[in-house]
Amino acid sequence: QQQVKQSPQSLIVQKGGISIINCAYENTAFDYFPWYQQFPGKGPALLIAIRPDVSEKKEGRFTISFNKSAKQFSLHIMDSQPGDSATYFCAAAVFYNTDKLIFGTGTRLQVFP
Amino acid sequence: NAGVTQTPKFQVLKTGQSMTLQCAQDMNHEYMSWYRQDPGMGLRLIHYSVGAGITDQGEVPNGYNVSRSTTEDFPLRLLSAAPSQTSVYFCASGHRGVLETQYFGPGTRLLVL
Repeated sequence: QQQVKQSPQSLIVQKGGISIINCAYENTAFDYFPWYQQFPGKGPALLIAIRPDVSEKKEGRFTISFNKSAKQFSLHIMDSQPGDSATYFCAAAVFYNTDKLIFGTGTRLQVFP
Repeated sequence: NAGVTQTPKFQVLKTGQSMTLQCAQDMNHEYMSWYRQDPGMGLRLIHYSVGAGITDQGEVPNGYNVSRSTTEDFPLRLLSAAPSQTSVYFCASGHRGVLETQYFGPGTRLLVL
C-alpha cells in the first residue's frame, strides 16, 4: 500500500513553461512534506519542504502548495529550464520523527528547449 | 570532507551469494539510513541508525542486516542474495530530525542473477 501517491509518472514541458507534480497522502499524522530532486546517476537531494501550518512555500522558481483538507500537496516549477530535467520525489514524515521518510514513486521531468 | 561515500558502485551477484555494501560519512552525523530504489516504487527505507550501536527497521528490512559499530560507517549486508534484491541502493546520513542536513550517497547498483 503506497502511503504517498505521486503523479504524473513522467512529464514533458517546454522551456519557460510550468511543471506541476502532485502528491497525496493518507496518514494524517504526517506533518512534514519535503521534495527531492535526483539527477541521473546521483543520489536524491532535498529541494524544498513544507509544514502544514502554511498553504504555500516558495523558493526561487520552486513552489510547494499544500491542501490539508484534501491531504494533497504539489510542486510547481515556474519558468522550467532544461537544467531542471530530473526525477522529482515527494515525501512525507512526522516532523518530530523524520527517521522514517515515506517517498512517493517519482516523476521524471524532461524540459525541452 | 568527502560527504557520503558508497562502495562498490556496481556489483553482480549470483543467487545465494552474500555481500556487504559499504557506506561511510565524515560529517559526524548520528543518523544514517539505507534505501533501495526500484522503478515505479520510489525509495523505500530498509534500515536506519540513530547512533553507534543503535539500529532499527524501515519499510522493507527482510533479507538485509545492518550494524553500526562506529559513527562513520553503516554497512548493509545481504546474507543470501535473491533476484528480488536487484536494485539501486542509497545510503544517507544527517543530523537526526534535521532533514536539511541529510545527504545521499551516489548509490550502488546491484544485479542479482
